[in-house]
Parts: sequence; C-alpha cells; structure tokens
Amino acid sequence: QQPVQSPQAVILREGEDAVINCSSSKALYSVHWYRQKHGEAPIFLMILLKGGEQKGHDKISASFNEKKQQSSLYLTASQLSYSGTYFCGTDKSGGSYIPTFGRGTSLIVHP
Amino acid sequence: KAGVTQTPRYLIKTRGQQVTLSCSPISGHRSVSWYQQTPGQGLQFLFEYFSETQRNKGNFPGRFSGRQFSNSRSEMNVSTLELGDSALYLCASRPQQGELFFGEGSRLTVL
Repeated sequence: QQPVQSPQAVILREGEDAVINCSSSKALYSVHWYRQKHGEAPIFLMILLKGGEQKGHDKISASFNEKKQQSSLYLTASQLSYSGTYFCGTDKSGGSYIPTFGRGTSLIVHP
Repeated sequence: KAGVTQTPRYLIKTRGQQVTLSCSPISGHRSVSWYQQTPGQGLQFLFEYFSETQRNKGNFPGRFSGRQFSNSRSEMNVSTLELGDSALYLCASRPQQGELFFGEGSRLTVL
C-alpha cells in the first residue's frame, strides 16, 4: 500500500511557506523524501530514521512521527527552484522491505 | 563521480514486442532497483538486485524480469508488451540501503 500524500498540488509565490504531508497505514521505520523536476531524475532530499526526528536541508526540513505513521516536509521561504513534484517513500513498512512511494505532490512556485 | 546511466532514453514499441532496458549504476553501488512511473500510479517498485541476486520484487506480472551482472550493471526486460506498459522506467542505485540515486529514466511508448 502506497503512502498517502497531501495535498496533491500546491501553488505558491516566492517567499511563501508550504507543508507536504505523508501518511501510511503501516508502521513506518524510515521515510525518504525526493524531488523530481519535469523530465529529470528524482533527487534525494533527506531520510528520517527515528521517530520524532527532524532533519533539515537549507530551508527544507522534515519531521517524522513514528507513532502516527506520518511525516511532513516543510518548505520555508520557497524559491523558484523548489518547483517540482515531491515524493515521500519508505523502504521498510509493516514487515515488508518493498520500497513504496506516495503519488507525489506537485509544487509550483511563482515569482 | 558519474551518475546512474540508463539507455535508451526513449523508445517506441508495438504491442506484443519485447524490450530490454539497461542501467549502469554509480561505481561502487551494489544495489540496483527498477521503478515504473506513470501519471496515475506514481512510482511503482518493480524489483531490486544486490550482488547479482534479486533481493525484492514488486507486484508486477512475470512479463517483467530483470538481472544484474557481476559489474553491477542491470537490465530489465518486458515481454509481450501491452499498451498499459507505456511509462517512464527509472533505475536507481545505492551502496546497500538508504538514499536512492536515480537515473533519468527510459521512456517507453507502446503503440
């Protein structure tokens, strides 16, 4: 079962903030976040391994609530370069090691 | 360090034909995994190879197969192509676990 991402799409102006959520019906042991621009390969943003852990990368950070089986990606003071599709994924959920990804959240940042 | 290289980048086939896609991982990476990406389903895991052995397999029919060579290069094959197989096929490599490094993909169109 795929993690569920929300919202499906976000439209922002430069400088605004956004939050993308990812939830799973199965126990999550790790959460990965990737960004894919149109016609390009997905690139890794961050991985969260522990419950409640928060990690950051420039003005992009994420949290992972293991008990709620949820992760959130926070984009602060968004830049034009943040535009793309964001995927959450996991390579271990429930008792399975099958990598699964959410369907993605499309983020568009306007000047 | 060279990234993940996939060939061919684009190809058009007709129903019933077969196709072989190739992936050269980042040097030193022993794990190669394959994904099918479509607008409706997002990223769907096909299989993962580690040191020439299939480590995990997704929920795809037996028409989808793969292999990994001793130099870690991998191929995937789809036989008896169907219209629904039209998709972007992404390959990713990693040392063992964790962050995935994706290639730019092979876009397959089945007519």
